[in-house]
Amino acid sequence: LAKTTQPISMDSYEGQEVNITCSHNNIATNDYITWYQQFPSQGPRFIIQGYKTKVTNEVASLFIPADRKSSTLSLPRVSLSDTAVYYCLVGDDSGYSTLTFGKGTMLLVSP
Amino acid sequence: GAVVSQHPSWVICKSGTSVKIECRSLDFQATTMFWYRQFPKQSLMLMATSNEGSKATYEQGVEKDKFLINHASLTLSTLTVTSAHPEDSSFYICSAREYSDRASGSSYEQYFGPGTRLTVT
Repeated sequence: LAKTTQPISMDSYEGQEVNITCSHNNIATNDYITWYQQFPSQGPRFIIQGYKTKVTNEVASLFIPADRKSSTLSLPRVSLSDTAVYYCLVGDDSGYSTLTFGKGTMLLVSP
Repeated sequence: GAVVSQHPSWVICKSGTSVKIECRSLDFQATTMFWYRQFPKQSLMLMATSNEGSKATYEQGVEKDKFLINHASLTLSTLTVTSAHPEDSSFYICSAREYSDRASGSSYEQYFGPGTRLTVT
């Protein structure tokens, strides 16, 4: 399983764009990159998933360079409610893989 | 997205008793469900993988006789913490994997339940 490395914490202010980068040097050819958000005492919530280049949905964008050894989750114009822990996970979608959580990034958004 | 529920959302039990936690996939069938444990200010740790109709696969260091997992149907998996002790107090989270047949190709997506807070006194 590919190991992921993220910053332990990040600080931002309301209205700013936040970019969280995840390193996954040993990513395999069949692996996808998935980001989850977790609030205290809640289960993780799926944010976005991608394989290469750029993926965008209504809440975030995911940028993946050609070598796929890293990825960047971009949150546009964050609000206080975006304060949470963000996890980057790598795994294939064969139906046989398990998701292993790293330490995640604690994002604190201030007024 | 698909919804996964857990019951109860929190439970307090006395040391030495057993407690059962249910995990249900509400609007999809899940051949595979996962159980995680999360201690305060730590990440989720995978405890076991549960496949419908077969025995669960436990991660190294997780006692299978203490954490009994049953996945009797495609929408229900249960975790029973037997002879609970205060050190078993934790946040238990289940997840279920859904098969998705997308235009871009088929894949499996994993959805998490809201978690169950277990406190053993």
